[in-house]
Amino acid sequence: DAGITQSPRHKVTETGTPVTLRCHQTENHRYMYWYRQDPGHGLRLIHYSYGVKDTDKGEVSDGYSVSRSKTEDFLLTLESATSSQTSVYFCAISESGTGVVGESFGPGTRLTVL
Amino acid sequence: AQSVTQPDIHITVSEGASLELRCNYSYGATPYLFWYVQSPGQGLQLLLKYFSGDTLVQGIKGFEAEFKRSQSSFNLRKPSVHWSDAAEYFCAVAVMNSGGYQKVTFGTGTKLQVIP
Repeated sequence: DAGITQSPRHKVTETGTPVTLRCHQTENHRYMYWYRQDPGHGLRLIHYSYGVKDTDKGEVSDGYSVSRSKTEDFLLTLESATSSQTSVYFCAISESGTGVVGESFGPGTRLTVL
Repeated sequence: AQSVTQPDIHITVSEGASLELRCNYSYGATPYLFWYVQSPGQGLQLLLKYFSGDTLVQGIKGFEAEFKRSQSSFNLRKPSVHWSDAAEYFCAVAVMNSGGYQKVTFGTGTKLQVIP
């Protein structure tokens, strides 16, 4: 498996609290992604990064922010968590270059907002 | 914008039987196409991908997929299913946006159940 770790793996928090999820990669890949997975919706892209300090929004970015200060780390922050953000969050990485090569996924973080 | 449809939410097959999972996409040109598998509690694993060339693509675990441009389809097949193939399968399409970055859209998934 690609060297991708996510922390924490499970988290329970209360509405209105800030939450930060971390994705760490050892592959030196340029692209990193945050997805959320919900029943009936598949995976939906929240934000992605195409380099250090370079990020862009995905299709469900409202209520989320990201930061990438190092190649290996991509942080996802919920500034004020809501129950609708209860989900499983996956980080993914992809090589840059001349082709689209698919993504490698981390093990996921299960977040519950009460 | 591109979209992906997996019309079958749940499929049940007998062990040893053949399998075909359907995937249709909507995009103005030929996108990059992928199939992923997700076992319970796990992340997604790439099974195979299509970029160009031969429309029949071989992947891992004995899976293959065929790209049919006329039908905008990329169906996943396996000639003989094993109990360990029980999982959820996702089709995905990727396009390069105007900034040269990969944008991926996933289907909603098909859950495969394998019965003895």
